[in-house]
Amino acid sequence: EAGVVQSPRYKIIEKKQPVAFWCNPISGHNTLYWYRQNLGQGPELLIRYENEEAVDDSQLPKDRFSAERLKGVDSTLKIQPAELGDSAVYLCASSLRGAGNEQFFGPGTRLTVL
Amino acid sequence: KNEVEQSPQNLTAQEGEFITINCSYSVGISALHWLQQHPGGGIVSLFMLSSGKKKHGRLIATINIQEKHSSLHITASHPRDSAVYICAPGGSQGNLIFGKGTKLSVKP
Repeated sequence: EAGVVQSPRYKIIEKKQPVAFWCNPISGHNTLYWYRQNLGQGPELLIRYENEEAVDDSQLPKDRFSAERLKGVDSTLKIQPAELGDSAVYLCASSLRGAGNEQFFGPGTRLTVL
Repeated sequence: KNEVEQSPQNLTAQEGEFITINCSYSVGISALHWLQQHPGGGIVSLFMLSSGKKKHGRLIATINIQEKHSSLHITASHPRDSAVYICAPGGSQGNLIFGKGTKLSVKP
């Protein structure tokens, strides 16, 4: 069975440009997470979905970040416009619904903003 | 004060050595996860535990809920164990709070 799929794996853009990341979770996983990982740090949650509903987006910088999970499967995370400080690895993870379930991580998208 | 503290931050060991990575947390949890991250970003879940001890191959994880402390042990370490190991307590809603990680380098 395929794991969590993310694309692109790498993205280099100039500041003020828009960028979008895509995630396809493991089939049957209701819960989807987007994390941002800065160099030398642990991942930080940006948004968590239960099916198509964003149940925790308290850490999502809503002035420039947006996310959607139409139909409760694939998800996209968008940044517009990107800033230099957005350079990081963006990780998607999925799990079965409910607390305490193992999260499965995608390979991440490494974003570099010049 | 960080909610999750890992020690050491960096660890260099010789092949075959016994390794211990410690994690202390201040939040209430439903379970604690140990994750492994190789260069390039991929994260793999090693353990999820809420009490006692779990063993998988050469890896052992323990947790003391009362003391809010967990340890990850690697027996007979090998260069392929070189990676970043991340402690991540999980709350009742399933959200994980990640430590900064411990970078392990095992020399042949």
